[in-house]
Amino acid sequence: NAGVTQTPKFRVLKTGQSMTLLCAQDMNHEYMYWYRQDPGMGLRLIHYSVGEGTTAKGEVPDGYNVSRLKKQNFLLGLESAAPSQTSVYFCASRGVTEAFFGQGTRLTVV
Amino acid sequence: SQELEQSPQSLIVQEGKNLTINCTSSKTLYGLYWYKQKYGEGLIFLMMLQKGGEEKSHEKITAKLDEKKQQSSLHITASQPSHAGIYLCGADPITGNQFYFGTGTSLTVIP
Repeated sequence: NAGVTQTPKFRVLKTGQSMTLLCAQDMNHEYMYWYRQDPGMGLRLIHYSVGEGTTAKGEVPDGYNVSRLKKQNFLLGLESAAPSQTSVYFCASRGVTEAFFGQGTRLTVV
Repeated sequence: SQELEQSPQSLIVQEGKNLTINCTSSKTLYGLYWYKQKYGEGLIFLMMLQKGGEEKSHEKITAKLDEKKQQSSLHITASQPSHAGIYLCGADPITGNQFYFGTGTSLTVIP
């Protein structure tokens, strides 16, 4: 979808390693979200932000941290990766009448 | 999310047939969003409904939101193989800032 870019697209981590996923949007949206998508579980909200400098916990926040230092960027961090965090991660950016997703990050923790 | 129920879970239709997917919320909504996802890909935004009784169309896909703003239906007319994929509804409730999703409806269109 136009306007939301996620990096990286793929990543393999060893258990205990750390990494940061970046979500960038160019639509001046206030609301941004991080989800994980697992087979049979649908999209589950990890953390979200309602504006620059704000963050809040979603449904499955444990093991993840986030930051929104700039309005256009929302970062998702894994401090010590675990195999249970193997998933596809999606970022979303929401405005008044639309909400767009990034193309996803496929993360494997071995 | 248990707060958004989608039905059916899966649907197999012959090309050219019409079909309907439903999305029901336990809460009154500020907005209801529809997306399509192809396997292994991202979510494509289809449309958003905000007003009770609102109806929107995108090509052969029509979505409606009921007057109480708790139930939406997505209707595809004369389905084509290109319509195949997973359809998800998403919602933000009137109270709170979360943005959550149903578990999706898998659509297969047989040529």
